[in-house]
Amino acid sequence: GENVEQHPSTLSVQEGDSAVIKCTYSDSASNYFPWYKQELGKRPQLIIDIRSNVGEKKDQRIAVTLNKTAKHFSLHITETQPEDSAVYFCAARNAGNMLTFGGGTRLMVKP
Amino acid sequence: DTEVTQTPKHLVMGMTNKKSLKCEQHMGHRAMYWYKQKAKKPPELMFVYSYEKLSINESVPSRFSPECPNSSLLNLHLHALQPEDSALYLCASSQDSVGNQPQHFGDGTRLSIL
Repeated sequence: GENVEQHPSTLSVQEGDSAVIKCTYSDSASNYFPWYKQELGKRPQLIIDIRSNVGEKKDQRIAVTLNKTAKHFSLHITETQPEDSAVYFCAARNAGNMLTFGGGTRLMVKP
Repeated sequence: DTEVTQTPKHLVMGMTNKKSLKCEQHMGHRAMYWYKQKAKKPPELMFVYSYEKLSINESVPSRFSPECPNSSLLNLHLHALQPEDSALYLCASSQDSVGNQPQHFGDGTRLSIL
C-alpha cells in the first residue's frame, strides 16, 4: 500500500517568514495530493491540492510543488501569520482511490 | 461553503452500550467516508461508500458497523467498543470516489469509551 512520510514534525517560524513542509510517497500510481490544515479541536480543512499532471499550484500565500520523478511534494507558505499556526497534513491518493495521510506537521508562527 | 454535518459532537459510552454516529451532506456527493483520528495522529480510513454501496473496508473490527441509508446520510453503528476505540471519528464526502475530487470533512464526533 501507499506510504506517506512528512517532515518536519514540528516547525517554528517568526511571523512574516516562510514555512516549507515536505512529503514523500511510495506508490508511483498516486495521482492526487491534497493538503489539509487542522486547528486544535477542529476538522481537517482542505487548503490546496495538486494533481499529477501539474508541477506547481499557487493560491495567494500558499503554493504546492510536485516532483513525480522523485515522488515528493511540498507545501510553501509565505508571509506567515499567527493564524497559520495549526497542524498540516499532506496526503496522497493511489490507484485504489484511498487517501493516505502523512504524519502531520505542527506549525507555530511566533508574533 | 461545503458542509458535512456530524452528530453528536461528543459521545461518552460504556463498553456494553449500543450507539450510532450520524453524518449528513447535501452537496450531491456520491462518495462518503469514515475516518478515525487519535490525538496527534493523522486520520485513518475506516470505510468508503460509493453510490450507497460499501466499496472499501479497511479491516475494521465488526464492532463498527457502517450504514448508508441514502446518498445524503452515513451512519456508524457502535457496539461493544473497547477503551482504545476512544478517538475523534470524522466523516467526509466527495463528488465521487474514482475521480480526483477533494474530500471535505465534518467536525467529527469525539468518542470516549469508559
